[in-house]
Amino acid sequence: SQQGEEDPQALSIQEGENATMNCSYKTSINNLQWYRQNSGRGLVHLILIRSNEREKHSGRLRVTLDTSKKSSSLLITASRAADTASYFCSFTGANSKLTFGKGITLSVRP
Amino acid sequence: GAGVSQTPSNKVTEKGKYVELRCDPISGHTALYWYRQSLGQGPEFLIYFQGTGAADDSGLPNDRFFAVRPEGSVSTLKIQRTERGDSAVYLCASSRTGLSSYNEQFFGPGTRLTVL
Repeated sequence: SQQGEEDPQALSIQEGENATMNCSYKTSINNLQWYRQNSGRGLVHLILIRSNEREKHSGRLRVTLDTSKKSSSLLITASRAADTASYFCSFTGANSKLTFGKGITLSVRP
Repeated sequence: GAGVSQTPSNKVTEKGKYVELRCDPISGHTALYWYRQSLGQGPEFLIYFQGTGAADDSGLPNDRFFAVRPEGSVSTLKIQRTERGDSAVYLCASSRTGLSSYNEQFFGPGTRLTVL
């Protein structure tokens, strides 16, 4: 299966703490994208990192990519209760379709 | 429009019926994707359009599923003889181009299909 695998499956932290989520994949990729989903509906695009990039920042988000280990991490700094959601990593290979993992459930306690 | 829109937001149908789900992508986006998401799972790819043509339909589960995009904008996902196992949230996404290195995909709110 080419499905990505996220780790941990669930994460519960206190507001203000940092949240680190990891993703691994098995195939060669062109890019990797992280998405957030609230209440099982539409996905919100967070950040895209290309295979020739190692780190990207967007606001409180920091994404790293290690193509030698076929892994990525998403760091959310200074978490807020509103960050509570499911987070998915996804990637494209030679074709354009996104392959998703099962997601990480993040709970941020106020 | 400002984002990807999908109609209806919810659809309840009976087993064996035919349904159509509509997706209106972001204006100017040439690539359009359909995904299906079951409870507790990540989205699964169904089909990808580049312009009017289906560039990759390898994710369609069987021949009961069909999608069109006749004018390269709005797309319709059609499901014949629906089965209870078709119940899921159907998500549509669009991207500016189909080039995989650059295609940030933007998702609509989804259509929740329930087959009784």
